[in-house]
Amino acid sequence: AQRVTQPEKLLSVFKGAPVELKCNYSYSGSPELFWYVQYSRQRLQLLLRHISRESIKGFTADLNKGETSFHLKKPFAQEEDSAMYYCALQRGGYQKVTFGTGTKLQVIP
Amino acid sequence: ETGVTQTPRHLVMGMTNKKSLKCEQHLGHNAMYWYKQSAKKPLELMFVYNFKEQTENNSVPSRFSPECPNSSHLFLHLHTLQPEDSALYLCASTADSSAGNTIYFGEGSWLTVV
Repeated sequence: AQRVTQPEKLLSVFKGAPVELKCNYSYSGSPELFWYVQYSRQRLQLLLRHISRESIKGFTADLNKGETSFHLKKPFAQEEDSAMYYCALQRGGYQKVTFGTGTKLQVIP
Repeated sequence: ETGVTQTPRHLVMGMTNKKSLKCEQHLGHNAMYWYKQSAKKPLELMFVYNFKEQTENNSVPSRFSPECPNSSHLFLHLHTLQPEDSALYLCASTADSSAGNTIYFGEGSWLTVV
């Protein structure tokens, strides 16, 4: 069975400090991994996906198959980054997406 | 209006009531989903529809009954619910059933069962 673990419910950092939101997954095949974000009073939306190897709003995430991790990182946190962040895993070829429990990022001015 | 729209945004119902949640997407997508988001739990996939056909029922109790009359509309019919069914119900859509598609979510319908 596939599983996504986000160990931190809340992460508080000061503005300008580095951010790392942790995500570990459990899946034996080749997963597709995503980060979704939900800003206050907005809908859940895609932030980035590992297959694109992109940087969105300064965030990056690298898939580490050895450690089965997909941590989300940003070198300098901004106040507008405060939101709920969800890591998600999709089995290759299937629609079913498994989400983590989410981490609330709080950037302190 | 573009995107995924859900109505009502808030619903309070008794355990003997029958109500429905509605979802509409204006993205031209062919796959639609119902997710349940409870406090302290991860998002749980409930149902998947692809080209109006149900392709996944994630062991959801029969008191939740989905309906997909066309690729743009999805309903969740509710009857004889339990208080533990109180949650945020999210509708979502993707272009099709292929892996890797971006999921577009609605704002959700907050359901309270009393």
